[in-house]
Amino acid sequence: SYELTQPPSVSVSPGQTASITCSGDKLGDNVCWYQQKPGQSPVLVIHQDTKRPSGIPERFSGSNSGKTATLTISGTQAMDEADYYCQARDSSTVVFGGGTKLTVL
Amino acid sequence: EVQLLESGGGLVQPGESLRLSCAASGFTFRRNAMSWVRQAPGKGLEWVSGISGSGGTTYHADSVRGRFTISRDTSKNTLYLQMNSLRVEDTAVYYCAKAGGAAALDHDFDYWGQGTLVIVSS
Repeated sequence: SYELTQPPSVSVSPGQTASITCSGDKLGDNVCWYQQKPGQSPVLVIHQDTKRPSGIPERFSGSNSGKTATLTISGTQAMDEADYYCQARDSSTVVFGGGTKLTVL
Repeated sequence: EVQLLESGGGLVQPGESLRLSCAASGFTFRRNAMSWVRQAPGKGLEWVSGISGSGGTTYHADSVRGRFTISRDTSKNTLYLQMNSLRVEDTAVYYCAKAGGAAALDHDFDYWGQGTLVIVSS
């Protein structure tokens, strides 16, 4: 089965840059990233590897090298503390990574 | 304004059935694929099923294939998930999600519902 691997946790100081990776054998060209805060539904923050939906701050950016996708948060703020999930698809399924808890401290 | 409102969750015993509904508004329902995504307590997101905008194509995760069926009624702007032979491990919050495109496996979920809790326990 298709799997996406994320680090369980990442820590960052306020104002610094946070990077969250997502690894898979065949990421394709449409990796998405979601932010989920406790008790809330997920929010799409990056789609098609690099695109930000309307309303998502410019400090969120994405990249994809083919086997590793990266979500980068520049100038991280306390409000960015959340769980982050990458997501991709293969021929017959959609897959989420296991999630990364981002701590801003 | 796009709104997705799930309903139908509850407490059931193993082996029983349940049907979830997701009432959609604020967009042209038939133009967008829809999916169900679940999240077990304290765990990550798991895609369950997806359906094309036309309803003609569906996909299900291996963990639910043969037990769950996704469908949609364009006349009612409603998405469904029929869940049969429920297991303890199906316990989760079930979200409906709208995709940006019309293909069943389009997975840029730009809008999510608030979720409905399904508990399978004896």
